[in-house]
Amino acid sequence: GQQLNQSPQSMFIQEGEDVSMNCTSSSIFNTWLWYKQEPGEGPVLLIALYKAGELTSNGRLTAQFGITRKDSFLNISASIPSDVGIYFCAGQFQGGSEKLVFGKGTKLTVNP
Amino acid sequence: GAVVSQHPSWVICKSGTSVKIECRSLDFQATTMFWYRQFPKQSLMLMATSNEGSKATYEQGVEKDKFLINHASLTLSTLTVTSAHPEDSSFYICSAWGWNTGELFFGEGSRLTVL
Repeated sequence: GQQLNQSPQSMFIQEGEDVSMNCTSSSIFNTWLWYKQEPGEGPVLLIALYKAGELTSNGRLTAQFGITRKDSFLNISASIPSDVGIYFCAGQFQGGSEKLVFGKGTKLTVNP
Repeated sequence: GAVVSQHPSWVICKSGTSVKIECRSLDFQATTMFWYRQFPKQSLMLMATSNEGSKATYEQGVEKDKFLINHASLTLSTLTVTSAHPEDSSFYICSAWGWNTGELFFGEGSRLTVL
């Protein structure tokens, strides 16, 4: 099935550093979502974006919906050990009850 | 808040047997539920979309006779892996969407190991 291009695939950083990851698509999405998944659990929604250009924050997390509707980025500031996990971007063409298209994920490791 | 619960969280079965995984929406009515499969170190791959009271829509390459999906009520969908084989071993995750929440919630996942 279709997937988004998500990068980087993995990151190894020191506690306190900032993190940035992004997703791109050849298709236009009307909704971008960012999830975090920890081992053995389902994804948990971090941030949802609904408008092109929208910049939304959730604590130390900031995400933006690209103007072209074909990309989005997620920033994590001042990382802490509990930020460890796999981060997925996901897009919806219409929103609502429509299925999600997922990126391949970014595995984040934070060294204390 | 809205929660989606999956059961069992993990199951081990013998090759050739069938396994049923339940996905329940708690505190909301899920008109649409999605089933995903996730192999180790990979992303979630959508298997099928089910709307309450109608047949599931399967993604290309997913065998509908092998992965039986039932969404008979607004709070329960089941995925049955029939005649399971070792290659069916995976992490299965459901998600649910309801009009009154307007948001998609994921279950905790069910790990299936077929011996």
